[in-house]
This record gives sequence, structure tokens and C-alpha cells, in this order.
Amino acid sequence: DAKTTQPNSMESNEEEPVHLPCNHSTISGTDYIHWYRQLPSQGPEYVIHGLTSNVNNRMASLAIAEDRKSSTLILHRATLRDAAVYYCILRDPRMDSSYKLIFGSGTRLLVRP
Amino acid sequence: GAGVSQSPRYKVAKRGQDVALRCDPISGHVSLFWYQQALGQGPEFLTYFQNEAQLDKSGLPSDRFFAERPEGSVSTLKIQRTQQEDSAVYLCASSMLAGGPQETQYFGPGTRLLVL
Repeated sequence: DAKTTQPNSMESNEEEPVHLPCNHSTISGTDYIHWYRQLPSQGPEYVIHGLTSNVNNRMASLAIAEDRKSSTLILHRATLRDAAVYYCILRDPRMDSSYKLIFGSGTRLLVRP
Repeated sequence: GAGVSQSPRYKVAKRGQDVALRCDPISGHVSLFWYQQALGQGPEFLTYFQNEAQLDKSGLPSDRFFAERPEGSVSTLKIQRTQQEDSAVYLCASSMLAGGPQETQYFGPGTRLLVL
């Protein structure tokens, strides 16, 4: 399975944009890039996913590098509620086990008031 | 609408005791997953059901762990003869269809198990 690398932690100020990086240099051509986040004492929640093109939804934007070896989750205006662990996860449709989410250690985002 | 619910939210067990953890998925969701999350780590896959069929149990750490979903809705994760290393948060997730690579998994709040 292709692996992802994320910084252990990042800090941001409230109401400022946050760019959370993820490296996936061994990504295959068919891997989907998913992001989940886990708020304190809660289960993970889906944020966004994409394949090749940049994606936007009400929660965030996903910017995918042209070579797909990295991606960036963008929170346009961080709030205190965005303090969480953010996980970047690859899912390969060619794999029989693509239903499985394989979490790494994620990036712990601290938002300063 | 109602999300995934789990009960109990917290469980303290004495070493050697059996425990049963319940998951109520989102109504109508075909796929159900169990994950285990140790302190400070990301969740790790335990097992996967499609309706009542357990299609993957490769992540169950030992034969003391058993999961079932007899009617294709509610699921129970049972741990026999609990050990201290079983202490973790047990997360349940469900997805609408057959768990494809674009499908969103919806997680419950988890059951925090502490084995003394």
C-alpha cells in the first residue's frame, strides 16, 4: 500500500487559513486521496476526497499536486472547532480491501484564539 | 438524522472478564466496520461486514475477539477474557453501500474500554 507522511503537529491562529500537507510519493495512478479528521473524544469524520483535480466543499479545499505525489488540505478560516487530528488516507480501487481505511498518525492541529 | 451510535461509551473491566460492545449503524447502511484506537495512535481496522456477512476479520488481534451482525443492522464486538493490552477506544463506522474506495465512512463516538 502507498504510504502517506504528515507533520506531527501544526499551529494556526483563529480566522486565518491553514494548509495541512501530506506527502504520498509512492501513490499509484488510481489511489483516491481522502482526508478525515478526529475532534477530541469523537470518532473520525470525513472531510474531503479527490483523485486528480482540486476539490472544494463546505468544510475545506483539497489541492492535489500535478504529479500527485503530495496534497494539501486547506481550511480557509480556522475556528477553534477545527482543532483536531487530521488524517490523509489513500484508497486504491484495485485492491480488494479498498473498503479499509488505513490511518497513519495524522497531524494534530492546534488553533490559537 | 441519527448517526452511528455506540454503547456503552465507557467500560471498565477486570482482567479476564468478557465484554460486549454494541454498534447501531445508520439505518439502511450496508457496510459496517470496527476499528481499534490505542492512545495517541490512529484507528486500526479490525473487521468488516457487508449486511450480515463478515467479509474481512483480518484485523482482529486474537481469537478472543469476535464480532457479529446477525440481522445486517446492529453489530456486537465481543472480547473474551480481556487483557490489559485490550484497553483502547473501539470505533464503529458504517457506509451506505459496499464500502468502495470513494465511499464515506460515518463513525460513532467510540467505546472507551479500560481493562484493569
